[in-house]
Amino acid sequence: NAGVTQTPKFRILKIGQSMTLQCTQDMNHNYMYWYRQDPGMGLKLIYYSVGAGITDKGEVPNGYNVSRSTTEDFPLRLELAAPSQTSVYFCATGQNFGEQYFGPGTRLTVT
Amino acid sequence: AQTVTQSQPEMSVQEAETVTLSCTYDTSESDYYLFWYKQPPSRQMILVIRQEAYKQQNATENRFSVNFQKAAKSFSLKISDSQLGDAAMYFCAYRSEPNAGGTSYGKLTFGQGTILTVHP
Repeated sequence: NAGVTQTPKFRILKIGQSMTLQCTQDMNHNYMYWYRQDPGMGLKLIYYSVGAGITDKGEVPNGYNVSRSTTEDFPLRLELAAPSQTSVYFCATGQNFGEQYFGPGTRLTVT
Repeated sequence: AQTVTQSQPEMSVQEAETVTLSCTYDTSESDYYLFWYKQPPSRQMILVIRQEAYKQQNATENRFSVNFQKAAKSFSLKISDSQLGDAAMYFCAYRSEPNAGGTSYGKLTFGQGTILTVHP
């Protein structure tokens, strides 16, 4: 099992461009999350999903959108990229109880 | 809203010695989970240890153990016989019970992290 996979690993965007960060899990978990980690800081929740077709905002959702059409996939869309979105993005999955499992992260730079 | 505080931005330890990382949290909930995650330079988030709030017994995982003080809202991590591979950023994290009736949906709230350096 691959667990949680994220693509791409690295990306450089120009201001105003858009992109989609991909996240796929093969753990059959209901819950999926997107976090961002700014330099020297902990992770903050952007969006989450409790199952296919159900998503909701986290602490820092502005500038992002998500969809969840299948249990496995939870893509994060950035529209009109801004320098403030330069960060490392982590996707995670979990069940009702217990720990979350993280993907390897995507390092995004917006210049 | 819950908050998690790690008051030690950096810690260092000699190889084979013991180090304790501090974490405090604020919550009004009675049921929750606490975690320590390790983040090496590879950026991968690795679960080190977990503690359920309803359990009085402190969790242990090999060289890693916690001191969970529920009334004091304290959750420290002790690393015994430190190894060079333990060098990393360590995050304390809080997770509400997803079925608690709130809107947390099991999200993790992280502290700011502690950078641990291990000297040979």
